[in-house]
Amino acid sequence: TQLLEQSPQFLSIQEGENLTVYCNSSSVFSSLQWYRQEPGEGPVLLVTVVTGGEVKKLKRLTFQFGDARKDSSLHITAAQPGDTGLYLCAGPNFGNEKLTFGTGTRLTIIP
Amino acid sequence: DSGVTQTPKHLITATGQRVTLRCSPRSGDLSVYWYQQSLDQGLQFLIQYYNGEERAKGNILERFSAQQFPDLHSELNLSSLELGDSALYFCASSVGGGWGNQETQYFGPGTRLLVL
Repeated sequence: TQLLEQSPQFLSIQEGENLTVYCNSSSVFSSLQWYRQEPGEGPVLLVTVVTGGEVKKLKRLTFQFGDARKDSSLHITAAQPGDTGLYLCAGPNFGNEKLTFGTGTRLTIIP
Repeated sequence: DSGVTQTPKHLITATGQRVTLRCSPRSGDLSVYWYQQSLDQGLQFLIQYYNGEERAKGNILERFSAQQFPDLHSELNLSSLELGDSALYFCASSVGGGWGNQETQYFGPGTRLLVL
């Protein structure tokens, strides 16, 4: 099974600040997905990145897939309390294509 | 609201018991996936059914089993429960049977299981 390590594990910042969270692996992934999970809810897909070096933007969120397709980052500009949640990256394992989820980053935005 | 429903929302039971978790996928979705989320293991894939047939298996214990019925709803059966089985259990559904960028999985709100 290919592992996905996310950092930081916890992040608490003030509203209006910028932040970046990371998703790293020693393995190559054919694609990576980012999810946000709020308390009491299931994960919700934010984006899928497929091509090495790809950058996708979703309002104040910018997602990047590493050139070698082994890592990804999520950058949030001017964080808002509504961004609070657990951010998970996930990718399909080569060979069996089952989704492996990362360890997660728990983000808290303080008003 | 993802359109995926799960019942019950909470479940408290004792060690050694058996429970059944139920999932109804989004209308039109043929695949159902079951996941377990615990503090120490994170979110882990258990099993996938596609149109009534088992499609893929993950880290599912032998004490656990699942099935998908003709109306496409699914049940996850957990037996001989242990303290370590306490976790959130999520069901997700998708239109087809693929993975990764081929499919978007829509997650239900989960069932929180507490084994005492």
